[in-house]
Amino acid sequence: QSALTQPPSASGSPGQSVTISCTGTSSDVGGYNYVSWYQQHPGKAPKLMIYEVSKRPSGVPDRFSGSKSGNTASLTVSGLQAEDEADYYCSSYAGSNGPYVVFGGGTKLTVL
Amino acid sequence: QVQLVESGGGVVQPGGSLRLSCAASGFTFSSYGMHWVRQAPGKGLEWVAFIRYDGSNKYYADSVKGRFTISRDNSKNTLYLQMNSLRAEDTAVYYCAKADATIPLYFQHWGQGTLVTVSS
Repeated sequence: QSALTQPPSASGSPGQSVTISCTGTSSDVGGYNYVSWYQQHPGKAPKLMIYEVSKRPSGVPDRFSGSKSGNTASLTVSGLQAEDEADYYCSSYAGSNGPYVVFGGGTKLTVL
Repeated sequence: QVQLVESGGGVVQPGGSLRLSCAASGFTFSSYGMHWVRQAPGKGLEWVAFIRYDGSNKYYADSVKGRFTISRDNSKNTLYLQMNSLRAEDTAVYYCAKADATIPLYFQHWGQGTLVTVSS
């Protein structure tokens, strides 16, 4: 399975909103509502931020939201805060009769 | 709270073997599927393998199929990854991750990772 496509970088000022895209195909992102997003600070483990396209685990601020249109999923961070600066990875179910998951290449979010 | 602690990483020569462990606590380990995910230095995440809650089914990425074996000991609350015929491209931080109980397609909780370096 090929990796999903994310922009390498994104940025915004405190208080602004930023959207990160994640583009796949009809065999992964477009074919299933099993897109998830992970936040990773330097030297730390990833953290689940969004699952099943738009659901938030308990404890994740509602400033984080997810959506999907066709083969592209998006993560929006509203009201940017300094602590949101991190790498963000999307992932999607890739079909094939098993829990096969494909990741995006990651997006470095910078809070200006 | 959920805690996952990986161990067993280190430096190994190409062609060598290594076994990683992941000690789980804070949840009923025997009720959840578990994943291994890796991250090469400065690179993105790559799914490696998954094992069902009871060990009955195992799945692997094409890049490790035939060389890596995922297993678990529910009596010890421990997940394993046996890595054989290691290559330089297997160099990465290896994370274990807890799956959702019903839809094991995302990673609810992650360990802190253990670094595997394959080098002569």
